[in-house]
Amino acid sequence: ILNVEQSPQSLHVQEGDSTNFTCSFPSSNFYALHWYRWETAKSPEALFVMTLNGDEKKKGRISATLNTKEGYSYLYIKGSQPEDSATYLCAFTTDSWGKFQFGAGTQVVVTP
Amino acid sequence: DTGVSQDPRHKITKRGQNVTFRCDPISEHNRLYWYRQTLGQGPEFLTYFQNEAQLEKSRLLSDRFSAERPKGSFSTLEIQRTEQGDSAMYLCASSRGENSYEQYFGPGTRLTVT
Repeated sequence: ILNVEQSPQSLHVQEGDSTNFTCSFPSSNFYALHWYRWETAKSPEALFVMTLNGDEKKKGRISATLNTKEGYSYLYIKGSQPEDSATYLCAFTTDSWGKFQFGAGTQVVVTP
Repeated sequence: DTGVSQDPRHKITKRGQNVTFRCDPISEHNRLYWYRQTLGQGPEFLTYFQNEAQLEKSRLLSDRFSAERPKGSFSTLEIQRTEQGDSAMYLCASSRGENSYEQYFGPGTRLTVT
């Protein structure tokens, strides 16, 4: 993997269902992996910063895992709500200067 | 609100015109970043500043683009002789600096070149 890739590109979820999606990144020169939630007409909002292999982070119904050796991270949404509708971006950095390499995002639409 | 702000939020311009965007970072954040997002892509790095010094520029930043951060506070991004390919969302972010992982983003400026 040379670039940051996210899959799927979009998904539709029924309210109350759980879902997950993937961010793949280069496994070499890893420094940190970031997850952002970006709602239309708003600023991207930081969800998690993950730095250690095996990291698991949780914020309410949203959680994330990190595998730096194989170069992937999963984001999970449990019991999806309409307010979870957004584009979820992951960003990979190779140093503390923080120049981000973003994936194209996963657009999540939660329908009531 | 003490978040990152950007102005304007939307800009429509004709091809060949010059445009300038402004970013006001979070107070006391000494790093400031510019990214560009085109349709269907993730944001791409353009340039960043440590205080007033511009430390890196992407090859995406052609000669028509110039960014400044004159007093180490707000920053401007100017595009001269705009082209239709410049149509994009321009995002600004700031961070505290060394050993700080997080970047805080503004809402972006959406540029449409007709």
